[in-house]
Amino acid sequence: DAGVIQSPRHEVTEMGQEVTLRCKPISGHNSLFWYRQTMMRGLELLIYFNNNVPIDDSGMPEDRFSAKMPNASFSTLKIQPSEPRDSAVYFCASRADRTSGNTIYFGEGSWLTVV
Amino acid sequence: AQSVTQPDIHITVSEGASLELRCNYSYGATPYLFWYVQSPGQGLQLLLKYFSGDTLVQGIKGFEAEFKRSQSSFNLRKPSVHWSDAAEYFCAVAAYNNDMRFGAGTRLTVKP
Repeated sequence: DAGVIQSPRHEVTEMGQEVTLRCKPISGHNSLFWYRQTMMRGLELLIYFNNNVPIDDSGMPEDRFSAKMPNASFSTLKIQPSEPRDSAVYFCASRADRTSGNTIYFGEGSWLTVV
Repeated sequence: AQSVTQPDIHITVSEGASLELRCNYSYGATPYLFWYVQSPGQGLQLLLKYFSGDTLVQGIKGFEAEFKRSQSSFNLRKPSVHWSDAAEYFCAVAAYNNDMRFGAGTRLTVKP
């Protein structure tokens, strides 16, 4: 079975540009998470969806960040406009709440650099 | 809300030596506890997890962890470290069907 798939793997963009990160969770999983990892702040939970509905978005840093999950197999994290301090690795993760006992499976991350 | 603390930012051990990485959690009930490993440039891989039952859990790559309720701890151990174990290790805590919170991570360096 394929794991969590993220794209792009790497992106370099200029300050002010819009960035869209994409995620395909594991088929059958009904929870999806976006995390951000930086040296200074470690792993931060940005937002958490359950059955495509945002449950907790308290970790979203500011209005420049938005996340959507239009269906069970796709989610996006958008930054508009991007700033250099947004440079980080963004991980998507998914979980099957009823069968996997709360294990979260991670994608390989999207490495974002804003110059 | 649940939280987790990893008191050691960086640990260095010699190859073949034993290893213990510390993890303390804060949660009102018995949480679900996890250890993940992250190699440079990679995502996070699950090493082991604890939900209930035997407080000593075995994981992949020869790792084990022990849940101690009285100490609110879930320390990770390995009897003999290999050079390939050099990585970042994250402890995590979750409530049932809730989000997962991670510790700050412990970076492990293995000396030849």
